[in-house]
Amino acid sequence: AQSVTQPDIHITVSEGASLELRCNYSYGATPYLFWYVQSPGQGLQLLLKYFSGDTLVQGIKGFEAEFKRSQSSFNLRKPSVHWSDAAEYFCAVGEDSSYKLIFGSGTRLLVRP
Amino acid sequence: DVKVTQSSRYLVKRTGEKVFLECVQDMDHENMFWYRQDPGLGLRLIYFSYDVKMKEKGDIPEGYSVSREKKERFSLILESASTNQTSMYLCASSFLSQGPQETQYFGPGTRLLVL
Repeated sequence: AQSVTQPDIHITVSEGASLELRCNYSYGATPYLFWYVQSPGQGLQLLLKYFSGDTLVQGIKGFEAEFKRSQSSFNLRKPSVHWSDAAEYFCAVGEDSSYKLIFGSGTRLLVRP
Repeated sequence: DVKVTQSSRYLVKRTGEKVFLECVQDMDHENMFWYRQDPGLGLRLIYFSYDVKMKEKGDIPEGYSVSREKKERFSLILESASTNQTSMYLCASSFLSQGPQETQYFGPGTRLLVL
């Protein structure tokens, strides 16, 4: 069965510092991979997605993610974090034969002034 | 802009009550989804629908049912609410055409407390 692991429950970074959020997936074929962000009191918003082509994907709000098949990873990065990036981040994998998304447990990002 | 709205942001119900959560989308999406979000567990799919009157069970359908009478509206029903159904409920929608890589658009969520 497919699964998604986000090993970090919480991450704290200083404003202006770089950020990397980890995501590992378990899936036999080429996965459909997503990063969503949930700001406090809000629904989820798509940051970026990957399903084929260039393994480095650019998203909104200055985020990027890199698909590494050999490591079964799809880590999210941002070179300089802003206080408004404080939120919960979810990695998800899509099933090839349906519309289901399997979500990780999320990583809560805290930003120090 | 895609808009997915949910009928209530907060809801308090008593054990045994029948609860309706409503979701409406304005983008003519074929697919609609209901998720439950719990701390440390991420989002788990309860049910989804790919057409009017069509539905498929997700990963945790027990204790829930759904209704889709119109394309833009997808309702989640708790037939007899229990305390273990206290949670955040998120609705989402997407187009059918591109398959799994279609973006799902989420509503703001309904936080349900069952006493």
